[in-house]
Amino acid sequence: QVQLVQSGAEVKKPGASVKVSCKASGYTFTSYYMHWVRQAPGQGLEWMGIVNPNGGYASYAQEFQGRVTMTSDTSTSTVYMELSSLRSEDTAVYYCASGVRGLTDYYFDYWGQGTLVTVSS
Amino acid sequence: QSVLTQPPSVSGAPGQRVTISCTGSSSNIGASYDVHWYQQFPGTAPKLLIYGSSNRPSGVPHRFSGSKSGTSASLAITGLQAEDEADYYCQSYDNTLSGSVFGGGTKLTVL
Repeated sequence: QVQLVQSGAEVKKPGASVKVSCKASGYTFTSYYMHWVRQAPGQGLEWMGIVNPNGGYASYAQEFQGRVTMTSDTSTSTVYMELSSLRSEDTAVYYCASGVRGLTDYYFDYWGQGTLVTVSS
Repeated sequence: QSVLTQPPSVSGAPGQRVTISCTGSSSNIGASYDVHWYQQFPGTAPKLLIYGSSNRPSGVPHRFSGSKSGTSASLAITGLQAEDEADYYCQSYDNTLSGSVFGGGTKLTVL
C-alpha cells in the first residue's frame, strides 16, 4: 500500500532553517509529483509548492518563494522541503502529499502523517 | 483570506442533508479547473473525499457527493452520521497564482 512517512517534529529558533523529509513507498516514486501543504494551529490548509521526484523541477507558492527549496532523492524515494529564515508564523504542521494529474489540475490522493515545526525563541 | 470561500461552519441533525459551498473566481473554478474535497479529523492528515468535482475515491460512502457550476462548487452529505463531524476543505488550481488554492475550511457539527 502507498505510504508517505515524514520525519519527526522539530523545534527551531527564529531565523533558523528546517528540513523535513517524506519517504514514499508502495508505488513508483517517479510517477507522481509531490506537494507540500502546511497547516498552522487552528487554521486551514496552505499549498506551498510542487516538486518533480525525477529532479530538476520545482515550483513554489508566491508566499514562499526565496525561502523554500524542495528536492528529491530517487535512490531513497524521499522528497525534502527546506524552509529558511523561520519566523513564529511558520509554526505549523507540514504535510507532503502525492499529486495526481500533473502540473495544473491536480489533487492529492495520499498524504504523509504530518511534521510539526515549532518556531520559538 | 482564502482564495476559495467556504462557510466557517455548518450543522445538521443525524439523517439530514447538509451542503458546503465553495466559491471561487474566473482564475480557478470559473476557468474550468476541477474542485476537490478533503475531510480532516482533529490531529490527522486530510483525506481525499471527492476528486474531479464529482468523483468518489474507492471506499468513500455514496452519501458524499460533489457538484460544480460556474465559479462555485458544493459538497453534499446525505443521511448525516455522527462520524461525519469533521473539517471539510475544497481545493482547486488557480492560473493567476500558478498553484493550488484551498478554501478556508468548514467545520461540520452533527447535532
